[in-house]
Amino acid sequence: AQSVTQPDIHITVSEGASLELRCNYSYGATPYLFWYVQSPGQGLQLLLKYFSGDTLVQGIKGFEAEFKRSQSSFNLRKPSVHWSDAAEYFCAVLRDSSYKLIFGSGTRLLVRP
Amino acid sequence: GAVVSQHPSRVICKSGTSVKIECRSLDFQATTMFWYRQFPKQSLMLMATSNEGSKATYEQGVEKDKFLINHASLTLSTLTVTSAHPEDSSFYICSANGGSNTEAFFGQGTRLTVV
Repeated sequence: AQSVTQPDIHITVSEGASLELRCNYSYGATPYLFWYVQSPGQGLQLLLKYFSGDTLVQGIKGFEAEFKRSQSSFNLRKPSVHWSDAAEYFCAVLRDSSYKLIFGSGTRLLVRP
Repeated sequence: GAVVSQHPSRVICKSGTSVKIECRSLDFQATTMFWYRQFPKQSLMLMATSNEGSKATYEQGVEKDKFLINHASLTLSTLTVTSAHPEDSSFYICSANGGSNTEAFFGQGTRLTVV
């Protein structure tokens, strides 16, 4: 069965530092992968997605993610974190063609001034 | 991107009453909408898939008689929590396929508190 694992429950980084959020997936075929961000009490905003092609995907707000099939990973990165990036981040994989998503447990990002 | 509007954003109701949550796609037609539930500090779990003009498809373990879903038009799906109890208190989020079918757009969520 498909699944998504986000090993880090929360991560704290200093403003201006680089960031990497980990995501591992379990999926039989080529996965469709997503990263979403959720601010407190809000819905989800899509940061980026991977369907095929270039394994390094650029997203909004300066985020990028790299699909590594050999490691079953889709880690999210940002070279320099801003205080406004503090939020909950969810990695997700498409369950089937009907756009049902399976979400990881989320990683809460805290940003130190 | 496409906009999905969810209403209300927050609701408090008494135990035993019913609550209706609306999910609207504002600038595109959504043949399929999804309802997720999120417990505090946890991930989103798919509850059901709402198909326009037909019955919703519920995930295993979700009570379809308790969580009534209606998708009467291409821009509106509703979730009604019937005979709500405190354990139904949660954050409910809907999503809808975009017209290009390459991503799902999420509403801003509804915080339901049953007292």
